Amino acid sequence: QLQLQESGPGLVKPSETLSLTCTVSGGSISSSSYYWGWIRQPPGKGLEWIGTIYYSGSTYYNPSLKSRVTISVDTSKNQFSLKLSSVTAADTAVYYCARLGTTGTTAFDIWGQGTMVTVSS
Amino acid sequence: QSALTQPASVSGSPGQSITMSCTGTSSDVGGYNYVSWYQQHPGKAPKLMIYDVSKWPSGVSNRFSGSKSGNTASLTISGLQAEDEADYYCCSYAGSSTWVFGGGTKLSVL
Repeated sequence: QLQLQESGPGLVKPSETLSLTCTVSGGSISSSSYYWGWIRQPPGKGLEWIGTIYYSGSTYYNPSLKSRVTISVDTSKNQFSLKLSSVTAADTAVYYCARLGTTGTTAFDIWGQGTMVTVSS
Repeated sequence: QSALTQPASVSGSPGQSITMSCTGTSSDVGGYNYVSWYQQHPGKAPKLMIYDVSKWPSGVSNRFSGSKSGNTASLTISGLQAEDEADYYCCSYAGSSTWVFGGGTKLSVL
């Protein structure tokens, strides 16, 4: 049973960089059938796609966040990571990592439990 | 890339059927058959309910069904149950390996 688990600081100061890691267990992040993504949800609001990465390192970002986002993958650790720079209070949200199918199930089919990140001094 | 448009809320009585919409453009919903729907209970992660417009993931009840016409996708829930009360989000492929979500619809089972 594939599982995803987010980890990282729950509190980040304004103007600093938010860093989160998603650990994949029960399966390989190097599968050619999947991408791996980050999605966030501000308190009381809807979901926002941040970006996705393929095990080869190819990345795709939300145009509205592209200038501040970096997603990377470490296949040796079966992990992928998110960095969001120059954060403000508007970046306060629950951050989810999720698996995105490329063939068959073209959707975010498995999600982590989410981790709350608050931007505050 | 703008968020897909969903009604803020819909409601129905147990046993009834409801339909909620998800409106985009020809650049996302209308251009691809990669619309998915997610159910989210309070404090929980979203759960995939429908993918590729109308397909069911393993383990999801066939009371949930999806369709699309033009730039609008729809999710129908038949035989409404109390446990269906949740927030529902649509998501569409938007080209160039990008994705866009809707603002979400709160379903109340009266």
